[in-house]
Amino acid sequence: EVQLVESGGGVVQPGGSLRLSCAASGFTFDDYAMHWVRQAPGKGLEWVSLISGDGGSTYYADSVKGRFTISRDNSKNSLYLQMNSLRTEDTALYYCAKDATIFGVVIIDYWGQGTLVTVSS
Amino acid sequence: DIVMTQSPDSLAVSLGERATINCKSSQSVLYSSNNKNYLAWYQQKPGQPPKLLIYWASTRESGVPDRFSGSGSGTDFTLTISSLQAEDVAVYYCQQYYSTPPMCSFGQGTKLEIK
Repeated sequence: EVQLVESGGGVVQPGGSLRLSCAASGFTFDDYAMHWVRQAPGKGLEWVSLISGDGGSTYYADSVKGRFTISRDNSKNSLYLQMNSLRTEDTALYYCAKDATIFGVVIIDYWGQGTLVTVSS
Repeated sequence: DIVMTQSPDSLAVSLGERATINCKSSQSVLYSSNNKNYLAWYQQKPGQPPKLLIYWASTRESGVPDRFSGSGSGTDFTLTISSLQAEDVAVYYCQQYYSTPPMCSFGQGTKLEIK
C-alpha cells in the first residue's frame, strides 16, 4: 500500500523559513517523480514543484521560483521542500504527491494527507 | 501559461441523475504526435486529499467506478457521472499536464452536491 506522510508544517513569520518532509513507502521510490501541491484554506489546488525519480531534474511554479527548493533522498525514501522568504500568501496545506511516471508528465496517482503551513506575524 | 476554467462552479443533482462538469483550457492540450489529450480529473471529498479519477482525458484510474467517464478533445472536456451516488459529493478538479517543461495547472474546482 502506497503511503505518503508529510511533516514539518507550522506557524512561521513572514520572511522566515521552513522545511517540509515526506516519508514514502509501499512503492519503489526512485522509480517515480514526486511533487508538492498546495491548497490555501478554502481554495483550489496549486502545483508547486516537481522532482524527477533520480533527482536530476526539478521544476517550480513561478510563484515559488527562487524561494523554494525541492529535493529527495532515495536512500531514505524521502522527499523535501525547503521554503525560504515565506510570504502570507504561502499559507496552505502542502501535499506530498506521487507521479504515475518517472518523469515527463504530471499525473498524480497518490497524495498524502498534507501538512499545514501558516505564515503570519 | 495554460489556464483551466471549469463550469459550473457548483452543481446540485438528484440521486440517480446524471451530473456533468465542463472544463475548458486556454490552449489545446492535444499532443499531435501521439494523439493524446493531456488532461486529468480529480475528486476531493471534504477533509481528504484529492483522488485521481481520469487521465488522458478518458482513461479511468484503476478502481474508479464506471459511472465516472471523461470525454472531449483539444480545449473542451467533460466529466460525467452517469448516476449520482451519495458518496460522489465532492469538489472535482480538472488538470492539464501538457505544459513543458513538466508542470501542470488545475481548474478552480466544481462543487457537486445532492439536490
